[in-house]
Amino acid sequence: GESVGLHLPTLSVQEGDNSIINCAYSNSASDYFIWYKQESGKGPQFIIDIRSNMDKRQGQRVTVLLNKTVKHLSLQIAATQPGDSAVYFCAENPVSGYSTLTFGKGTMLLVSP
Amino acid sequence: NAGVMQNPRHLVRRRGQEARLRCSPMKGHSHVYWYRQLPEEGLKFMVYLQKENIIDESGMPKERFSAEFPKEGPSILRIQQVVRGDSAAYFCASSPVSENTGELFFGEGSRLTVL
Repeated sequence: GESVGLHLPTLSVQEGDNSIINCAYSNSASDYFIWYKQESGKGPQFIIDIRSNMDKRQGQRVTVLLNKTVKHLSLQIAATQPGDSAVYFCAENPVSGYSTLTFGKGTMLLVSP
Repeated sequence: NAGVMQNPRHLVRRRGQEARLRCSPMKGHSHVYWYRQLPEEGLKFMVYLQKENIIDESGMPKERFSAEFPKEGPSILRIQQVVRGDSAAYFCASSPVSENTGELFFGEGSRLTVL
């Protein structure tokens, strides 16, 4: 069936480095792609989204890239900080009108001081 | 400005018992979603509700699970006759309007353990 998945389960970086988290998706009909951050013991927190008619969107220290040709999504975090350590999930929204998100399994980002 | 409130945060049940999980959306939000997260997995959509209406329950197991969002009070996810496979974190999320950007506000979750 349709699914969203991640290439790397764990990413370890040094404080100050740039981080790139990747995601593959298979449902070409999805309208929105979203990144969430989940800290240990907490609920997911929205980071940034991108619509399917865009290929890049920037936020504060984060950039999301969408490559529809190869069905690939990435999250770039600039100047990674220890507070960025968390599990990052990509998600896609295949249904228009409301948010029945399909989440990937997540990538753990570990930031060393 | 309180966020999405879920309770209980932790719940332990024996097989065959009932579990009731409650969710109060953010103030001003009338759209509620329930997601389930198994250990080391991503979240899986269960049900989407508006006040007094179930809009989409395509992710809900056909038996033992039910959800409601009454006119007054919190949304309730009810699991009857729990089994060990129901052990998971259950997250509620809310939004102010019906929207498809995927920006949801999640609670801290209710962690169900079935013995």
